[in-house]
Amino acid sequence: AQSVTQLGSHVSVSEGALVLLRCNYSSSVPPYLFWYVQYPNQGLQLLLKYTTGATLVKGINGFEAEFKKSETSFHLTKPSAHMSDAAEYFCAVINTGGFKTIFGAGTRLFVKA
Amino acid sequence: NAGVTQTPKFQVLKTGQSMTLQCAQDMNHNSMYWYRQDPGMGLRLIYYSASEGTTDKGEVPNGYNVSRLNKREFSLRLESAAPSQTSVYFCASSQRGTGTGRAPDTQYFGPGTRLTVL
Repeated sequence: AQSVTQLGSHVSVSEGALVLLRCNYSSSVPPYLFWYVQYPNQGLQLLLKYTTGATLVKGINGFEAEFKKSETSFHLTKPSAHMSDAAEYFCAVINTGGFKTIFGAGTRLFVKA
Repeated sequence: NAGVTQTPKFQVLKTGQSMTLQCAQDMNHNSMYWYRQDPGMGLRLIYYSASEGTTDKGEVPNGYNVSRLNKREFSLRLESAAPSQTSVYFCASSQRGTGTGRAPDTQYFGPGTRLTVL
């Protein structure tokens, strides 16, 4: 069965600092991987996704993630945090049947002025 | 386009009461989903509908039923609410089911329904 582990339920960074949110997955087949963002009192929206091809994926708002098969990781980064990046971030993987999305527990990002 | 809409936004029930959460999408998507979100547990799939006329259980279906009324609408029913069903419920839709060999499509989420069962 596929699973997703997000390391750190809370991450705090200063404005302008590097953002690194960690995600590891387990999958018996090549996975499809996603990062979603949830702002307070809203639904989730897609930041970026990896399906096939280039392993470095760029998303909205300056975020990017790199698929590393050898490390079974899909960490999310942004070079310089902005106050508006404060939100909860979810890593997700499509299951082997190719239909159900499995979500991680989420990482809440705090950005300090 | 309104995207995915959910009603109601908030609801308080007493144990044993029933209610239906409504969801509609105007993006002509084939697939629709119901999730619940609880602190520290991410989103868990309750039921999904790969296409109009079909529904399947997800990870946590007990205590819920669903109806895919047409291509646009997918409702979630709690027949006898329990305090363990206190949660935030999200409906989502995607362009197509992700069958073998087909790259999965992004899911689009509604704003959620915050349900409290006393």
